Amino acid sequence: EVQLVESGGGLVKPGGSLRLSCAASGFTFSSYSMNWVRQAPGKGLEWVSSISSSSSYIYYADSVKGRFTISRDNAKNSLYLQMNSLRAEDTAVYYCARDPGNYGWFDPWGQGTLVTVSS
Amino acid sequence: DIQMTQSPSSLSASVGDRVTITCRASQSISSYLNWYQQKPGKAPKLLIYAASSLQSGVPSRFSGSGSGTDFTLTISSLQPEDFATYYCQQSYSTPSITFGQGTRLEIK
Repeated sequence: EVQLVESGGGLVKPGGSLRLSCAASGFTFSSYSMNWVRQAPGKGLEWVSSISSSSSYIYYADSVKGRFTISRDNAKNSLYLQMNSLRAEDTAVYYCARDPGNYGWFDPWGQGTLVTVSS
Repeated sequence: DIQMTQSPSSLSASVGDRVTITCRASQSISSYLNWYQQKPGKAPKLLIYAASSLQSGVPSRFSGSGSGTDFTLTISSLQPEDFATYYCQQSYSTPSITFGQGTRLEIK
């Protein structure tokens, strides 16, 4: 079964840092581009960042550029999101999601991990 | 950025009804349009990709159509498990992907 499991969320103060992880199983992780998508409480979906299968191509939404860093470890079947200089508006559930073939759609998604930025 | 606008924002319907949700792009996106279903507290689930292709395992009562700027998601006969929020998403300007604001489908 293809599965993505996020971890690392929690409560952090404004200006703080957090590192999210996404553990993949059930597929050849190293063959797929991966993404982070977030959803603020009661709001819609916002694409955050993407990374190609070999980490050659990395992209960020303007809202997180310069503060967040996406990375992956294909040997560990894991995706990461290092979040620095966190703001209240970064409060959201963060999902990792696979791009099945560099098509730009996402399937499957993990269950999400909640990041709360508050003093 | 390409803006995606869904209508309606919310919709009440009954089991067995035929329901249509519309998504409009701020510029032509060819057929680079995908639909997701999200239930409360759960992750989104891919329903339709490339405007009209049904994702494996998704019931055939779901269908998608459109190209250019105007797209529709149709549920031919609502089932109790279909009450959820639906999002469209454009993948034309990958990696700068954008989603619609969502359509909440509620039980009448």
